[in-house]
Amino acid sequence: NAGVTQTPKFRVLKTGQSMTLLCAQDMNHEYMYWYRQDPGMGLRLIHYSVGEGTTAKGEVPDGYNVSRLKKQNFLLGLESAAPSQTSVYFCASSNGGFGANEQFFGPGTRLTVL
Amino acid sequence: EDQVTQSPEALRLQEGESSSLNCSYTVSGLRGLFWYRQDPGKGPEFLFTLYSAGEEKEKERLKATLTKKESFLHITAPKPEDSATYLCAVQTEGTSGTYKYIFGTGTRLKVLA
Repeated sequence: NAGVTQTPKFRVLKTGQSMTLLCAQDMNHEYMYWYRQDPGMGLRLIHYSVGEGTTAKGEVPDGYNVSRLKKQNFLLGLESAAPSQTSVYFCASSNGGFGANEQFFGPGTRLTVL
Repeated sequence: EDQVTQSPEALRLQEGESSSLNCSYTVSGLRGLFWYRQDPGKGPEFLFTLYSAGEEKEKERLKATLTKKESFLHITAPKPEDSATYLCAVQTEGTSGTYKYIFGTGTRLKVLA
C-alpha cells in the first residue's frame, strides 16, 4: 500500500515551458486535491476533484489545469510556466470532502521555474 | 475574511520541556479543525481532527484542544523526534454547499537533546 505518490520529485523548467505533475493514490479515495506550499504561506488549494471525471477550482487556480480521467490519478498541468509558479506542490486524497475525513498527502514535487 | 493564525512561528525546547502551540481562527461556520505534522522534505501527516468546542484528542505526547476561537497542541515531555513543523487547518463552509480548507503557516518545533 503506497498511499499517495507523486511524480516527479524535482523539476526545473524554463519560463514558458509546459509540464504535467502526476498524482496517484491506491486507497480508493473519492476526493483528490492539489496544493502549493510557499515559504511564509500556508498550503493553498489549487484545484480539487470530488470524483472521477470531475474537477473544480480552489483558491489559486490561475495558470494551472487539472484532469481526473481515472479515480486513482489526478494530473496537474502547467501550460506556460512562470517564475511565480516556483513552489513545492503537494497532492492529497481523502474519503470525504475537504477533510470530513483526514487528508493523506504525497511527498511533494519541488518545481523551479527559471 | 476567514483566517487561521499559528503562533509562535518557531519554538525551541529542551527535551522534556513541555509547551503548547496555538492556532487561532476567525471563520464563519467551522466544520472542523485539523492538526498535521510535517517533516522536512515530506508531505503533511494527519494528527487530529476536532469538531466542537471542548473537544480533546490525545496521541502519545500530544494533546489537542479546541475552543470557539482557538486550538492548542500541547506537547508533554517532548523528545527530539517530535521536532517538525506542526500545521493547523480549518474546514469551513464555502458557497453553494462547498467547503473551504484553510491552512495556517505552521509552527517549527525544535526539541534539543
